[in-house]
Amino acid sequence: KAGVTQTPRYLIKTRGQQVTLSCSPISGHRSVSWYQQTPGQGLQFLFEYFSETQRNKGNFPGRFSGRQFSNSRSEMNVSTLELGDSALYLCASSTGGLAASGELFFGEGSRLTVL
Amino acid sequence: DQQVKQNSPSLSVQEGRISILNCDYTNSMFDYFLWYKKYPAEGPTFLISISSIKDKNEDGRFTVFLNKSAKHLSLHIVPSQPGDSAVYFCAARPNQGGKLIFGQGTELSVKP
Repeated sequence: KAGVTQTPRYLIKTRGQQVTLSCSPISGHRSVSWYQQTPGQGLQFLFEYFSETQRNKGNFPGRFSGRQFSNSRSEMNVSTLELGDSALYLCASSTGGLAASGELFFGEGSRLTVL
Repeated sequence: DQQVKQNSPSLSVQEGRISILNCDYTNSMFDYFLWYKKYPAEGPTFLISISSIKDKNEDGRFTVFLNKSAKHLSLHIVPSQPGDSAVYFCAARPNQGGKLIFGQGTELSVKP
């Protein structure tokens, strides 16, 4: 079955602009999580959505927001971009069931460069 | 506050030898621990996991050990192969659901 799809794969923005990234999870998966990867920082958790509701949230400023649609597709938005927002943004999906072991299935990521 | 730490940014091993990747954590409430492997330009892929009620889990060449008293887990790869060269992330689950907390990653290089 198809994996997690993220669009766009690469994008360049300038400071002050805003960006929207999209993620289509694996069919049947109801949980979508977003992570930011920067060199030396590993994967930093942004937020998780389950059945259109934000279930978990990381320690990022309010400029970072997200949502999930009824078909489980998710978008994240970053407003008023800063140079430090340059990173690889990864989306991951899972069944989201509370009894699950926590395994996440990742997309290939969206590489954002802020100039 | 880094709850999951991988203190070695890189590791170099000869092909055929054992690779040992280490991970420390601070939160005793984590209930699952996972290892992911990441190649450049690809998303991380799940490798192996272990429940907090176990101390060892094995899958082929990969074995994960969990020492709860030391809040330490390790991934052993035996024998190491050049195709294992990648960045390895350990992750922990703080509660039931889809949130995982990741370490900074260790870049493994397996030399032929």
